[in-house]
Amino acid sequence: GEDVEQSLFLSVREGDSSVINCTYTDSSSTYLYWYKQEPGAGLQLLTYIFSNMDMKQDQRLTVLLNKKDKHLSLRIADTQTGDSAIYFCAFTGGGNKLTFGTGTQLKVEL
Amino acid sequence: EPEVTQTPSHQVTQMGQEVILRCVPISNHLYFYWYRQILGQKVEFLVSFYNNEISEKSEIFDDQFSVERPDGSNFTLKIRSTKLEDSAMYFCASSEGQGGTDTQYFGPGTRLTVL
Repeated sequence: GEDVEQSLFLSVREGDSSVINCTYTDSSSTYLYWYKQEPGAGLQLLTYIFSNMDMKQDQRLTVLLNKKDKHLSLRIADTQTGDSAIYFCAFTGGGNKLTFGTGTQLKVEL
Repeated sequence: EPEVTQTPSHQVTQMGQEVILRCVPISNHLYFYWYRQILGQKVEFLVSFYNNEISEKSEIFDDQFSVERPDGSNFTLKIRSTKLEDSAMYFCASSEGQGGTDTQYFGPGTRLTVL
């Protein structure tokens, strides 16, 4: 079955860049997503990338996809305290089912 | 901005009891989903629903689970006889269509605690 791995924790200082990484095993992934989960809240879609793209930039967010290594990353520029949350990568291989990664807890320190 | 809502936010039940978790998807959406997240674990797909029938389900979604769209606005998940291991956060989601760019919008979740 699909396996999507992320590192559990990341701590950065306010104003620095954050890079959250994700590796996956399913090569049929069509769309890859990043979701954000704040405490007590649902999952908020941040951005997505189609599998034939290498990079996508959306304001402070940059998504990089290395299909050869099956590696996806999310870079947050100028990280703010409001960015503290759990970040999940997710993908759909076919159909609508989302497969989520293990989640990375980002802590932003002053 | 339209959003997915879920009730209750927290449900406590005794093992063996039936529970119904309720969701109101976004009004023009046609595809509905349930996911769950056991504490400290990843979010897992349970079931997707379209045109009044299940379109896909995971191996977690056994005979103890059922889904229903009883009227034009609600989408429910029923667990017939709850087990301790059903304790989790349950998320409802909806999307306008299917396919990768049809974003799934998630509700805030219902925390189910089975004692």
